Amino acid sequence: DSGVTQTPKHLITATGQRVTLRCSPRSGDLSVYWYQQSLDQGLQFLIQYYNGEERAKGNILERFSAQQFPDLHSELNLSSLELGDSALYFCASSVGQESDEQFFGPGTRLTVL
Amino acid sequence: AQKVTQAQTEISVVEKEDVTLDCVYETRDTTYYLFWYKQPPSGELVFLIRRNSFDEQNEISGRYSWNFQKSTSSFNFTITASQVVDSAVYFCAQRNTGFQKLVFGTGTRLLVSP
Repeated sequence: DSGVTQTPKHLITATGQRVTLRCSPRSGDLSVYWYQQSLDQGLQFLIQYYNGEERAKGNILERFSAQQFPDLHSELNLSSLELGDSALYFCASSVGQESDEQFFGPGTRLTVL
Repeated sequence: AQKVTQAQTEISVVEKEDVTLDCVYETRDTTYYLFWYKQPPSGELVFLIRRNSFDEQNEISGRYSWNFQKSTSSFNFTITASQVVDSAVYFCAQRNTGFQKLVFGTGTRLLVSP
């Protein structure tokens, strides 16, 4: 158990809908990262937050947005969902910007029908 | 640009065999970090090791060992006396300093049969 929690574990929804994925980092970690794992794209970095502020952006679609709250938990919002958004979404956390190891949560499996 | 290549898509071995998973990386930075993660069938990503670019010492942890060679930009992972529980997808990843983006390889699926 990495100490990173993600909810829900599974999510099934329809095209065009909007969903919110939630992540709680390990105690003491200030950085949160979101990754998408799909069969065709592999593991892709989406976005990073550090202590509530966005720090880095990767291959994140405009239909997706994220935020980190004062209690350091983070949410990833996915809207106007398409079939291709079906994937495993991971949250990871680390102590700070210059920390090395990122510890991953169990992931949320999103299925868009 | 950063890139991580894991040329072996899938490896099948019989229990107790040794197996090496290859990882080749590309980066323009002189200081960087390399990682290995394990993804068992349950789906979670488990951190295995981090290596700094300025430390080329090989590392051993139980049945696991890592060989880092800067000259060939490789960071290979060997499992000695493999076990069925080692069956998983293994990912190599690389990160430059100051920017926490992890770039992953495509993974190597290891199947260990009894």
